[in-house]
Amino acid sequence: AQSVTQLDSQVPVFEEAPVELRCNYSSSVSVYLFWYVQYPNQGLQLLLKYLSGSTLVESINGFEAEFNKSQTSFHLRKPSVHISDTAEYFCAVSAPGGATNKLIFGTGTLLAVQP
Amino acid sequence: DGGITQSPKYLFRKEGQNVTLSCEQNLNHDAMYWYRQDPGQGLRLIYYSQIVNDFQKGDIAEGYSVSREKKESFPLTVTSAQKNPTAFYLCASNGVTNTQYFGPGTRLTVL
Repeated sequence: AQSVTQLDSQVPVFEEAPVELRCNYSSSVSVYLFWYVQYPNQGLQLLLKYLSGSTLVESINGFEAEFNKSQTSFHLRKPSVHISDTAEYFCAVSAPGGATNKLIFGTGTLLAVQP
Repeated sequence: DGGITQSPKYLFRKEGQNVTLSCEQNLNHDAMYWYRQDPGQGLRLIYYSQIVNDFQKGDIAEGYSVSREKKESFPLTVTSAQKNPTAFYLCASNGVTNTQYFGPGTRLTVL
């Protein structure tokens, strides 16, 4: 079985500062990893995903995440945040080829960007 | 445009009432999911369906029911047996490589 831990429930940061949202996972098999973003009263939007290949994955709006198998982590980073990045971010894991294709979600990290 | 729609956006339920939340997708996905979201608890899986006419309980199925008569539709009924139904409900469908795509959500409030 898989599990996901997001260590920070809330991360306050000033505009134009760098940010890292932490995600650690537990699994006895290989995994797919995902980051989703949720704006207030909206559904989740896929931000980026790691399936295989290059361990560094990027999104179109400047976020990146690096899959680190030895540390079982998939931390999300952005070198310079904007006010519009304020949202809740969820890390998720699934097992490729599994019978149910279920995603296991972390409890979320609220990124609060201050001017 | 391909996507997932949920209706209504806001729903109010009286004590003892059953209510049904709609979820439709035109992505031609086989698998669909219902999640419940409460503040500080992330997403919890209620029910999922991998194919038409088949569905399985998730982690918190008590007080809920579903049907999957068509590939495009996966409605969720919140029954009177669900004692604390106030929450944000999200529907999703599963594309290739386990990538799930979400609808905009329905906020259910008990009066």
